[in-house]
Amino acid sequence: EDQVTQSPEALRLQEGESSSLNCSYTVSGLRGLFWYRQDPGKGPEFLFTLYSAGEEKEKERLKATLTKKESFLHITAPKPEDSATYLCAVPSTGKLIFGQGTTLQVKP
Amino acid sequence: DSGVTQTPKHLITATGQRVTLRCSPRSGDLSVYWYQQSLDQGLQFLIQYYNGEERAKGNILERFSAQQFPDLHSELNLSSLELGDSALYFCASNAGTGYTEAFFGQGTRLTVV
Repeated sequence: EDQVTQSPEALRLQEGESSSLNCSYTVSGLRGLFWYRQDPGKGPEFLFTLYSAGEEKEKERLKATLTKKESFLHITAPKPEDSATYLCAVPSTGKLIFGQGTTLQVKP
Repeated sequence: DSGVTQTPKHLITATGQRVTLRCSPRSGDLSVYWYQQSLDQGLQFLIQYYNGEERAKGNILERFSAQQFPDLHSELNLSSLELGDSALYFCASNAGTGYTEAFFGQGTRLTVV
């Protein structure tokens, strides 16, 4: 069964303290991996799509990378406004399977 | 703004009742997906429609049903509501291949009392 696991579940950082979030997946034939950001009570906001191992995408302080077994979301010098839950997802038989997410809190 | 519109934003109803949630996909998108997110739970896939036809089904309860209309908007019907059905319900849309990113609406928060 296709599965997505994210770690850590929660992460507290000081403003400016860089870190990485992990998304490991078990799918039969990866056909893309997606990162989303979700604020409390809001819908997930699309961030990145990665299709092949070695691919990288960047947006402001976020950089997503992909290997054959996992993806990382690197956050460089985070700010309080980066506080949110970050979700990764993979497509599986026509739907997206989501991990449980990493809740990031960035303190000023 | 993702371009996906969900109504209503909030819904409070009593146990045993029936409600309908509505979703308008992004312009040009043929696929609509419904997800449920309970408190502190992940996004659980319910059902997908593509151009009016059911394409994929998740762990959707028999009390729940959905449809997609010719104008591509979709409705999720929840009946015989129970307290445990209280959750955020999200709709997402994409072009329909199932292998491209999907864009989410802001959700409907359903509270069953």
